[in-house]
Amino acid sequence: QVQLVESGGGVVQTGRSLRLSCAASGFTFSSYAMHWVRQAPGKGLEWVALISHDGSNKYYADSVKGRFTISRDNSRNTLYLQMNSLTAEDTARYYCARDPGWELLRYYFDFWGQGTLVTVSS
Amino acid sequence: QSALTQPASVSGSPGQSLTISCTGTRSDVGSYNLVSWYQQHPGKAPKLMIYEGSKRPSGVSNRFSGSKSGNTASLTVSGLQAEDEADYYCYSYAGSSTYVFGTGTKVTVL
Repeated sequence: QVQLVESGGGVVQTGRSLRLSCAASGFTFSSYAMHWVRQAPGKGLEWVALISHDGSNKYYADSVKGRFTISRDNSRNTLYLQMNSLTAEDTARYYCARDPGWELLRYYFDFWGQGTLVTVSS
Repeated sequence: QSALTQPASVSGSPGQSLTISCTGTRSDVGSYNLVSWYQQHPGKAPKLMIYEGSKRPSGVSNRFSGSKSGNTASLTVSGLQAEDEADYYCYSYAGSSTYVFGTGTKVTVL
């Protein structure tokens, strides 16, 4: 069965960096695009970033462009989110999610991880 | 990348039907039949309920249905049950490789 397990969250000071990971299993990871989606405490969902199945294309929300970098290691079945210059507004639970298209986009999410919490504190 | 507009809350009694709207623009909801809907219970990850506007994934109750008219998509829950009480979010492709969620709707079963 498909499993997505995020890790790497924690408390970090304003201006510092953090790298999140998402370990995938139960499917051919290298054939699916992957997303990061976040949810601030008590707030709604916000799309953060997308990476194509082979890592050749990456897209970001304006709110994180230039600060966050999405990447993947298909040999390790792992998705990453490098977050730099963190601010209080980045405090959220970060979910990784799969686009169900085989080597193309279907523009929705069929599987989600349970998320990892990032708290940015001064 | 402005969020799609949803009502903050809707409520209904068991057995009734309710509809959640998701209003966007000609650039997102109005241009693509790519709206999906997610259900989120407290402390849980979102769950896909509807994709490509009106398609239901395997395992999702047929009490959930989706539609679209112009720049507004809708999710209808019929035969409301206690377990349907949750937050619901719409999501759409917005062109130029950008994606946007709705503001979210809290559904209360009275």
